[in-house]
Amino acid sequence: DQQVKQNSPSLSVQEGRISILNCDYTNSMFDYFLWYKKYPAEGPTFLISISSIKDKNEDGRFTVFLNKSAKHLSLHIVPSQPGDSAVYFCAAREGGSYIPTFGRGTSLIVHP
Amino acid sequence: DTAVSQTPKYLVTQMGNDKSIKCEQNLGHDTMYWYKQDSKKFLKIMFSYNNKELIINETVPNRFSPKSPDKAHLNLHINSLELGDSAVYFCASSQGDYLAEQYFGPGTRLTVT
Repeated sequence: DQQVKQNSPSLSVQEGRISILNCDYTNSMFDYFLWYKKYPAEGPTFLISISSIKDKNEDGRFTVFLNKSAKHLSLHIVPSQPGDSAVYFCAAREGGSYIPTFGRGTSLIVHP
Repeated sequence: DTAVSQTPKYLVTQMGNDKSIKCEQNLGHDTMYWYKQDSKKFLKIMFSYNNKELIINETVPNRFSPKSPDKAHLNLHINSLELGDSAVYFCASSQGDYLAEQYFGPGTRLTVT
């Protein structure tokens, strides 16, 4: 029972273009969402988050959009750089919980 | 100045053995976690400790026993290893605030043969 779904296992993008990574969730109790980035042989590192009271959060080249009615969020990277090549995990938390539920991850490859 | 460290990075062992994975964080966080990333790549919570006390214990075989000697350390001991225990195990820590993100260690790849 996957409560957080990342249906695209991989995404390939040209350098300078926009990368859009998608995430869907089923649990309506989730109210805080996070994106983590993971390089090979390293642990995930926090990238950006969004609370359910917002529909957009921006941090430099990274923007997360939340559509609560559709139970969908997306991470936009503009412009994409080769160093962005990594696995991106979407995660979600229920109110009051420290523990996020993770998706399976999407592998992003940015070609020079 | 590694924030969350784990040892060993790789662990290859035979079925039936007992092994431990160590985790240390130097961030001053009060909450630590163990996650398992299985072959399907899902990161699943196993345990969480807050101020050395167990606060979350997901459905994990009792062959797995976490031990927290102090707030900076959370070790994972596994008895009678099975083939299905092969996975990458990640330690993480956070400051005990709902909005705080977790900081992960580099992972320990356990292979049981």
